[in-house]
Amino acid sequence: DSGVTQTPKHLITATGQRVTLRCSPRSGDLSVYWYQQSLDQGLQFLIHYYNGEERAKGNILERFSAQQFPDLHSELNLSSLELGDSALYFCASSVGLAGSGYNEQFFGPGTRLTVL
Amino acid sequence: DQQVKQNSPSLSVQEGRISILNCDYTNSMFDYFLWYKKYPAEGPTFLISISSIKDKNEDGRFTVFLNKSAKHLSLHIVPSQPGDSAVYFCAASSNSGGSNYKLTFGKGTLLTVNP
Repeated sequence: DSGVTQTPKHLITATGQRVTLRCSPRSGDLSVYWYQQSLDQGLQFLIHYYNGEERAKGNILERFSAQQFPDLHSELNLSSLELGDSALYFCASSVGLAGSGYNEQFFGPGTRLTVL
Repeated sequence: DQQVKQNSPSLSVQEGRISILNCDYTNSMFDYFLWYKKYPAEGPTFLISISSIKDKNEDGRFTVFLNKSAKHLSLHIVPSQPGDSAVYFCAASSNSGGSNYKLTFGKGTLLTVNP
């Protein structure tokens, strides 16, 4: 158990809908990262938050957005869903960010999203 | 453009033997490398890492070797155990810019250790 929790574990929805994925980082971790794993792709970085602030964006679509709340949990919002958005979405957390020494990222169990 | 490549989708070894998983990267700005293990229906689990200032890091049965000139790293597992059967991901990070430690992953290698 990494200490990172994600809900829900599975989500089935229809095209055009909007969903919210939730992540609670390990106790004490300030950084939260979101990754997407599609069938034919490895894990792709989506976005990074540190202590409530967005720090970097990766391959994140404009239909997707995220935020990190004062209690440090994070939510990933996916809207106008398409079939191709079906994937595993992982959240990871780490203690800090660059400049404080590298921090290994600890991953949650993931949310499997199926868009029908 | 795949910056981290794991060219072997799968590897099968006998219990007790050495498993060698390979990874190549193209981005010379990468300065930290990690290996993660992933079981089905679970998130990736951190295994071992290495900074670009080193060429070897050892942790129990796991050793990671880094050859910067060849932009190549490898994970050695000795001796291999059936419980090591999983997908292994190589990941890399760059501290340039000083603000983010996003990981760039390879597509993974499925290791099967046969009893």
